Amino acid sequence: NAGVMQNPRHLVRRRGQEARLRCSPMKGHSHVYWYRQLPEEGLKFMVYLQKENIIDESGMPKERFSAEFPKEGPSILRIQQVVRGDSAAYFCASSPPSGGGDTQYFGPGTRLTVL
Amino acid sequence: RKEVEQDPGPFNVPEGATVAFNCTYSNSASQSFFWYRQDCRKEPKLLMSVYSSGNEDGRFTAQLNRASQYISLLIRDSKLSDSATYLCVVMSNAGKSTFGDGTTLTVKP
Repeated sequence: NAGVMQNPRHLVRRRGQEARLRCSPMKGHSHVYWYRQLPEEGLKFMVYLQKENIIDESGMPKERFSAEFPKEGPSILRIQQVVRGDSAAYFCASSPPSGGGDTQYFGPGTRLTVL
Repeated sequence: RKEVEQDPGPFNVPEGATVAFNCTYSNSASQSFFWYRQDCRKEPKLLMSVYSSGNEDGRFTAQLNRASQYISLLIRDSKLSDSATYLCVVMSNAGKSTFGDGTTLTVKP
């Protein structure tokens, strides 16, 4: 049973480019969460999604960031016009369909570097 | 004030020592509680869930005090492999998780 998969594992972008981060949840999981970890800081919640729905995006920056979890395919975290401050590790986690309160399992993360 | 607060440490202990980590949270409506460990900026891995009745898994014991909004993790007979950052996680009933900034533990021979 494959765990949470994220790709790419490392992503380098120049300022102003777009970054697309993908997350495939564990088999049978329908809840996806995105977190950001800046260098030397803790994990910060960004967004919580179920299939085709954004449940809580209170941690998402108001501009340039968006997330989706379509009916088919992985969840995508999209960052437009990246800036140096976006350089961080982005972790995705998934949990089973039983809903809020369940254990989250993390993917290996995508390390984004903005030059 | 942060929603979830942990003593950042670092805690430097010899092998075999007992060490305790504390965590406080501000949202009294929080529903679920967990301890995760994170090694060298890799992905966090679940260590254990935390229940009001307390729970134990080998050398690890977790406690929750809802009245005081306080969570603890006790590690007995520390091993070198226990060196990591320990993250306290508080989850609302809507599924949103808030992570503490972590407590760093180094176990030395």
